[in-house]
Amino acid sequence: RKEVEQDPGPFNVPEGATVAFNCTYSNSASQSFFWYRQDCRKEPKLLMSVYSSGNEDGRFTAQLNRASQYISLLIRDSKLSDSATYLCVVNRRASNYQLIWGAGTKLIIKP
Amino acid sequence: DTGVSQNPRHKITKRGQNVTFRCDPISEHNRLYWYRQTLGQGPEFLTYFQNEAQLEKSRLLSDRFSAERPKGSFSTLEIQRTEQGDSAMYLCASGVSNQPQHFGDGTRLSIL
Repeated sequence: RKEVEQDPGPFNVPEGATVAFNCTYSNSASQSFFWYRQDCRKEPKLLMSVYSSGNEDGRFTAQLNRASQYISLLIRDSKLSDSATYLCVVNRRASNYQLIWGAGTKLIIKP
Repeated sequence: DTGVSQNPRHKITKRGQNVTFRCDPISEHNRLYWYRQTLGQGPEFLTYFQNEAQLEKSRLLSDRFSAERPKGSFSTLEIQRTEQGDSAMYLCASGVSNQPQHFGDGTRLSIL
């Protein structure tokens, strides 16, 4: 079983809709959590960190559930430019903060 | 541009050749990471430096792979006697403790 698991998708969503992704992690010692976005053949770029109390950045909302060991990303009013792969990432101080990545969820926004 | 810089962007080489990639991290970042990513997968950790010290190597990293960060600034990743399975995107990231890591554009390696 992978340490960080995501539904690979693709999620095909009409423009303007709301879409949510979940990600589960298996190591309870995980300390920091992030969502990265990756466009085709490009490097991953940080979308947002995920805080225990949940956090919002514009149309994007991230939440963490430590008890159930999952994090989520909600995108409201989706835009065509949101089409990308969304990677769930965790790290642990005990592992020198190396990032442990999910395989990503592919999102396709259709006009 | 003060971001993470990697070169070359693309490298095509014949099987059996040696290749070397370079990464210039963000100057104030003391941590530098190398990852490898293949199609449809998330990046996989290869190795990590804190300043000039290489503190961790993944079991994915065979003896053909070596990385250095001689002065605690830029880093090089060398692959000797390349194999078909080495074809991937090699990503470098830099950061500070548990803050988000910042990535370079990556070096895409293709082995013929």
